[in-house]
Amino acid sequence: EAGVVQSPRYKIIEKKQPVAFWCNPISGHNTLYWYLQNLGQGPELLIRYENEEAVDDSQLPKDRFSAERLKGVDSTLKIQPAELGDSAVYLCASSSKGAPTEAFFGQGTRLTVV
Amino acid sequence: EDQVTQSPEALRLQEGESSSLNCSYTVSGLRGLFWYRQDPGKGPEFLFTLYSAGEEKEKERLKATLTKKESFLHITAPKPEDSATYLCAVRSNTGKLIFGQGTTLQVKP
Repeated sequence: EAGVVQSPRYKIIEKKQPVAFWCNPISGHNTLYWYLQNLGQGPELLIRYENEEAVDDSQLPKDRFSAERLKGVDSTLKIQPAELGDSAVYLCASSSKGAPTEAFFGQGTRLTVV
Repeated sequence: EDQVTQSPEALRLQEGESSSLNCSYTVSGLRGLFWYRQDPGKGPEFLFTLYSAGEEKEKERLKATLTKKESFLHITAPKPEDSATYLCAVRSNTGKLIFGQGTTLQVKP
């Protein structure tokens, strides 16, 4: 079974430019998460989807970040415009709504804003 | 407020030297406590799920235990390949999945 797939793996952009990350969750997983991870820190939730609905986006900086999950499958996270402080690893994870409840992660996208 | 705190932040062991990592948590209605392993440049890899106090899970040299306030990840006779960052996470009754800051383990041969 394929795991969570993210692309691109690496992205380098200049500040003020837009950037987008893509995530394909595990087949059949209703719940999809986007996390941000800074070096030496644990993942911090940006947004959680249940199917197509964003049920927790309280930590998403909505002035520059946006996300969508069309048809309850793939998801895209966008930053516009990017700032230097956005440099981090962006992780996508998915889980089943019922048991088992553990989340599985993709390899992440490492963003560097210069 | 839901919170997860891991200690120590970093741990250095000699090969074969057993030790434990701690995860303390406060959460609204625990719906699972999870341990992950994360290697540099990779996403977290799922290790264990614990649901209730007293539960234990084992995998090779790792054993996870759970009480009402904390979880321990015991590492018995570690090898250099066990070197990684170990992350603890809890799921609340609202479905939120909250992570600690991780413990970076280095095992020297």
